[in-house]
Amino acid sequence: KQEVTQIPAALSVPEGENLVLNCSFTDSAIYNLQWFRQDPGKGLTSLLLIQSSQREQTSGRLNASLDKSSGRSTLYIAASQPGDSATYLCAVWRTSYDKVIFGPGTSLSVIP
Amino acid sequence: DADVTQTPRNRITKTGKRIMLECSQTKGHDRMYWYRQDPGLGLRLIYYSFDVKDINKGEISDGYSVSRQAQAKFSLSLESAIPNQTALYFCATSDPTSWETQYFGPGTRLLVL
Repeated sequence: KQEVTQIPAALSVPEGENLVLNCSFTDSAIYNLQWFRQDPGKGLTSLLLIQSSQREQTSGRLNASLDKSSGRSTLYIAASQPGDSATYLCAVWRTSYDKVIFGPGTSLSVIP
Repeated sequence: DADVTQTPRNRITKTGKRIMLECSQTKGHDRMYWYRQDPGLGLRLIYYSFDVKDINKGEISDGYSVSRQAQAKFSLSLESAIPNQTALYFCATSDPTSWETQYFGPGTRLLVL
């Protein structure tokens, strides 16, 4: 059974710092991995999707990497800003016809 | 206009009442999902539907039922609400042509008293 974990549960950094959020999964046979952002009381917004054949994806200040053999993905945020404060969730698809499993999220606070 | 909409956005109900949460999408996706979110537990899948004639139970389907009225509409019902069904509920779609990229609605906050 696929399990997805995210450490740390919460992170607080000063503005301008580069930071890394971690996502671990137990079954390396994945279809894709998706990173989301959730603002308090709001829905999820897709940030990056990494296909199983890819190693990383980039969008602006965000870079997500995938290492299936070790069961890990990282989300790198460069030059953090207060507007980056939110909860970040990763989600894993086992196959294209299977359900997605979400991690519990990392709550990020960027202090001005 | 939002691609995935949910109604109502907030709902307070009493134990034992039947309620329905509705989801509509304009993305043209066949695949739709209902999740619930509880603090510290992440999102858990309740039901999912890969097309109008396909309904599948998720991880926590007990106490819930769904109806896929059309490609664009997917409703979640609580037949007899109980307090531990208090949660934030999300509807989502996914696009199989872009590796199942998921698109979420804004959520319905449900309180069962």
